[in-house]
Amino acid sequence: DQQVKQNSPSLSVQEGRISILNCDYTNSMFDYFLWYKKYPAEGPTFLISISSIKDKNEDGRFTVFLNKSAKHLSLHIVPSQPGDSAVYFCAASVEAAGNKLTFGGGTRVLVKP
Amino acid sequence: DTAVSQTPKYLVTQMGNDKSIKCEQNLGHDTMYWYKQDSKKFLKIMFSYNNKELIINETVPNRFSPKSPDKAHLNLHINSLELGDSAVYFCASSRISGNTIYFGEGSWLTVV
Repeated sequence: DQQVKQNSPSLSVQEGRISILNCDYTNSMFDYFLWYKKYPAEGPTFLISISSIKDKNEDGRFTVFLNKSAKHLSLHIVPSQPGDSAVYFCAASVEAAGNKLTFGGGTRVLVKP
Repeated sequence: DTAVSQTPKYLVTQMGNDKSIKCEQNLGHDTMYWYKQDSKKFLKIMFSYNNKELIINETVPNRFSPKSPDKAHLNLHINSLELGDSAVYFCASSRISGNTIYFGEGSWLTVV
């Protein structure tokens, strides 16, 4: 039973354009959400997070949007750069239950020069 | 300086063997984890330790035994390795009250 889903396994975008990655979740208890970026043969690297009390969080080129009613979050990367080519994982947790992250299956992003 | 380091990075071993993966973090975190990335690329939590105390055990076979000698170390010992144990194992850490988890580079285990 996948509680966090990333329905697009891959995404290709031109350098300079916007990358939009989507993530859906089913567990309404989730109240903290994170995006991780992963290069081949490396561990996931924390990118940005959002608490359920917010609907948007921005950090430089990265913005995460949360729609609690739709149980949907998205990551926007603007402008996309070739170095952004990686696998992006969405993750969710219940803050009161400790730091147990439930991950989506990942979206592979390719930014073309 | 690597914040969360794990060794070995690559390990090929035969079925039935016992092996260990070591993990150390220098972030001063109180909580450490083991995650497994399976063949379908899903990352799933296996164990979580808070100050050397086990707090999460996600129905992992008891052939897997984590050991935390101190809060900066969390080692994973696997007995009687099976083909299905082949995966990438990630160690991670976080503050007790922190929501952000920091991962090591992963240990690629192949059981043949």
